[in-house]
Amino acid sequence: GDSVTQMEGPVTLSEEAFLTINCTYTATGYPSLFWYVQYPGEGLQLLLKATKADDKGSNKGFEATYRKETTSFHLEKGSVQVSDSAVYFCALTENNFNKFYFGSGTKLNVKP
Amino acid sequence: GAGVSQSPRYKVTKRGQDVALRCDPISGHVSLYWYRQALGQGPEFLTYFNYEAQQDKSGLPNDRFSAERPEGSISTLTIQRTEQRDSAMYRCASSLEETQYFGPGTRLLVL
Repeated sequence: GDSVTQMEGPVTLSEEAFLTINCTYTATGYPSLFWYVQYPGEGLQLLLKATKADDKGSNKGFEATYRKETTSFHLEKGSVQVSDSAVYFCALTENNFNKFYFGSGTKLNVKP
Repeated sequence: GAGVSQSPRYKVTKRGQDVALRCDPISGHVSLYWYRQALGQGPEFLTYFNYEAQQDKSGLPNDRFSAERPEGSISTLTIQRTEQRDSAMYRCASSLEETQYFGPGTRLLVL
């Protein structure tokens, strides 16, 4: 069955450091891939998405590239800020969008 | 515009009681999803509606869990004869296409 695996957290970085959060997936078909972010005390919100292989999703300085050959969708940001402290979830859905699979989340702590 | 709303935000109940959790999706959103999220984990899919039709309920853990969306808008997730292991955050999301918009969740505590 479909699944998503994320690197375990927490990840602690200093402000302006480079961020990578790894995500790999298992899917039977050709999924769409997503990163969601959950700020403290809030619900999940979409950060970025990619719907086909080699697509790059980007938003707020974050990027992730859909790599079919390595079944990965790693999240990157060149220079993190304290305000980026949150929990990040990788997710996928097959093309019918009926069902979504989420990873277990990676908590990011950014220190000033 | 208004986002997805859920009520109640917190629910404390005693083991064996029934609970009903409500989700009010974004107006016009065709798709509605229910998830359960344990502390420190990602959302776990429970069920999916397309308009009023429940098209996937494969994630419902057992027959104590049920959901409905009779008019294709508001949805109710019902848990009968609650057990302590049902304690979790229950989240609802709605969408037009593949982007889901999540509600704030209902935190359920079964004593």
